[in-house]
Amino acid sequence: QLQLQESGPGLVKPSETLSLTCTVSGGSISSSSYYWGWIRQPPGKGLEWIGSIYYSGSTYYNPSLKSRVTISVDTSKNQFSLKLSSVTAADTAVYYCARLGSLWGQGTLVTVSS
Amino acid sequence: EIVLTQSPATLSLSPGERATLSCRASQSVSSYLAWYQQKPGQAPRLLIYDASNRATGIPARFSGSGSGTDFTLTISSLEPEDFAVYYCQQRSNWPPGWITFGQGTRLEIK
Repeated sequence: QLQLQESGPGLVKPSETLSLTCTVSGGSISSSSYYWGWIRQPPGKGLEWIGSIYYSGSTYYNPSLKSRVTISVDTSKNQFSLKLSSVTAADTAVYYCARLGSLWGQGTLVTVSS
Repeated sequence: EIVLTQSPATLSLSPGERATLSCRASQSVSSYLAWYQQKPGQAPRLLIYDASNRATGIPARFSGSGSGTDFTLTISSLEPEDFAVYYCQQRSNWPPGWITFGQGTRLEIK
């Protein structure tokens, strides 16, 4: 049974880089035809797509975040990762990883505060 | 960029009633439209993919319809556990990893 689990610091200082990893278990991240992505949800608000990656490394980013986002994949570890630079309080949110169009991780709250 | 507009923002109904939620796209998304349900403190759960296909384990009271720019999620007879927030989401044919979400419809108990 496929499962996704986010991991990383729950508190990041302003201007620093937020780094999260998604570990995929019960299935291979190299499975063809699936894209893997990061989505976030500020407290009390809706869902915002951050970006997506294919196992080959092809990436697609939300234009509003593109200048600050890097998503990468490590097929040997069955993981993909998110880096968001120059964070501000507006980046405080629950961050989800997902196999697009199907299963999501449980989410992890990241707070940006000094 | 494709914009998804959901209506209504809030829907107040009673258990046993029929719920109809709408999602309109700013340009055609073909049938590449999904519906998610989110309960407080939980991750979104996929209900419908490709406009009308129920995901694994989703009860038959949930159905999706539409194509192009206008889509509908129907819950035929509301159960207490159905009161939640519902999001529509489109995926682009190209580039295929590009997605956007609607702003959500809150389904609340009347």
